[in-house]
Amino acid sequence: DIQMTQSPSSVSASVGDRVSITCRASQDISTWLGWYQQKAGKAPKLLIYAASILESGVPSRFSGSGSGTEFTLTINSLQPEDFASYYCQQATSFPLTFGGGTKVEIK
Amino acid sequence: QVQLQESGPGLVKPSQTLSLTCTVSGDSISSVGYYWSWIRQHPGKGLEWIGYMYYSGTIFYNPSLRSRLTISGDTSKNQFSLKLTSVTAADTAVYYCARVVYSSGRGWFDPWGQGTLVTVSS
Repeated sequence: DIQMTQSPSSVSASVGDRVSITCRASQDISTWLGWYQQKAGKAPKLLIYAASILESGVPSRFSGSGSGTEFTLTINSLQPEDFASYYCQQATSFPLTFGGGTKVEIK
Repeated sequence: QVQLQESGPGLVKPSQTLSLTCTVSGDSISSVGYYWSWIRQHPGKGLEWIGYMYYSGTIFYNPSLRSRLTISGDTSKNQFSLKLTSVTAADTAVYYCARVVYSSGRGWFDPWGQGTLVTVSS
C-alpha cells in the first residue's frame, strides 16, 4: 500500500495568514493526488485533484503543487471558513489511501 | 445537483453483519463514467477507503476488508449498498458513501454523503 504522510498534524494560524500543508507519498504517485477539506461534523469536500487542479467553485486562495512524492496545499489569506481539517489522497493505485490529516486551527 | 444519503442501523452487535445503503438523487448510479464508493472514518481519526463499484458489476475492494466485504448496486432503486460481516469494535466508524468522478485520468471522491455513525457494541 502507498503510505501518505501529512505534516504538520495541526497548525495554528490567524485570519489573513498563508498556510502550507505538506503531503508525502511512500512512492512516486506522479500527480495523482487530491486534497479534501473537512469541517467539524461534516463530510469531506474535494478541493483539488491531480495535484493542482482546483475543483469548480473552490476559492482561488487554495492552490496545490507538487509531483512524485511531495505535494503542498497552500491557503493564501486564510478566511474564517477555512478553519477545518485537510486530507490528501493518492489515486495512483489500489487501495486508495489518505493522509492522516492536518487540522488548521485559529490562533 | 447530486446528493447521497446513507441509511442503516447505528448499532450492530459484535460478530454480526453491518449493512448500509446509499440512496443517490440527482444522478443515476448507471451513469457512464461514474463509480460509487464507500469510505469510513474511525472516531477522531483519518479516512479509510473501503471499496467502490461500477453499475456494470466492476468492483474494487480494499484488500484489508475484502474477505468480509460486499458492495452491490440496485439500479431500480438508484441505491448501492455495503455489507461487512463479522464486525468488531474496530469497525466502529462514520461510514460515508461518495461518487467517484474520473477527471484527468483518475478517480476523485465528489460529492460525499453526510455520513452515518455505526457503533459496534453488545
